[in-house]
Amino acid sequence: GALVYQYPRRTICKSGTSMRMECQAVGFQATSVAWYRQSPQKTFELIALSTVNSAIKYEQNFTQEKFPISHPNLSFSSMTVLNAYLEDRGLYLCGARDGATEVFFGKGTRLTVV
Amino acid sequence: GDSVTQTEGLVTLTEGLPVMLNCTYQSTYSPFLFWYVQHLNEAPKLLLKSFTDNKRPEHQGFHATLHKSSSSFHLQKSSAQLSDSALYYCAWGYNQGKLIFGQGTKLSIKP
Repeated sequence: GALVYQYPRRTICKSGTSMRMECQAVGFQATSVAWYRQSPQKTFELIALSTVNSAIKYEQNFTQEKFPISHPNLSFSSMTVLNAYLEDRGLYLCGARDGATEVFFGKGTRLTVV
Repeated sequence: GDSVTQTEGLVTLTEGLPVMLNCTYQSTYSPFLFWYVQHLNEAPKLLLKSFTDNKRPEHQGFHATLHKSSSSFHLQKSSAQLSDSALYYCAWGYNQGKLIFGQGTKLSIKP
């Protein structure tokens, strides 16, 4: 079956530092990967959509300078949260699409900023 | 712009009663609509997705019908179970793989 792994599952970083999170698709080829953030008590905000062989498209309020993404092949994507502060805490989800309509989600990386 | 609206933040029901969670969308395209369920400290899992041929998707007793005339995709179940307690998100998707999520509805089922 199609699975998406995200790691680390949980991470704590000091305010002002950066952390990198990874997303791996297993059992299918991820033609596109979208990164979302669920802040405490909020819904999922789309950060950016990465499609292989196309430029990464960031949503309003999110920038490449803050959330650089790498999507080098059809099974792997990574995103870094640069200079993290309290408002960046939350659950970061990777959603990978297999070319059809279904999006498979990983269990997320929970970021705590102290 | 494209958006999804879930009007109820919290729905509390007694076990055995019918469930209906509202979802409406606004889009210039003909999107796919999805329902995701999220249990505590877990990632969201796909519950239902709409079909292009207006078939009614069903899963775990839940069903939803896409009504393009009213831009709705309400989630329904005939009889609620305690295990149905969770967060439910309606989401809009197009063919690029990105989803726009509604604000979510917390469903709380009591004995």
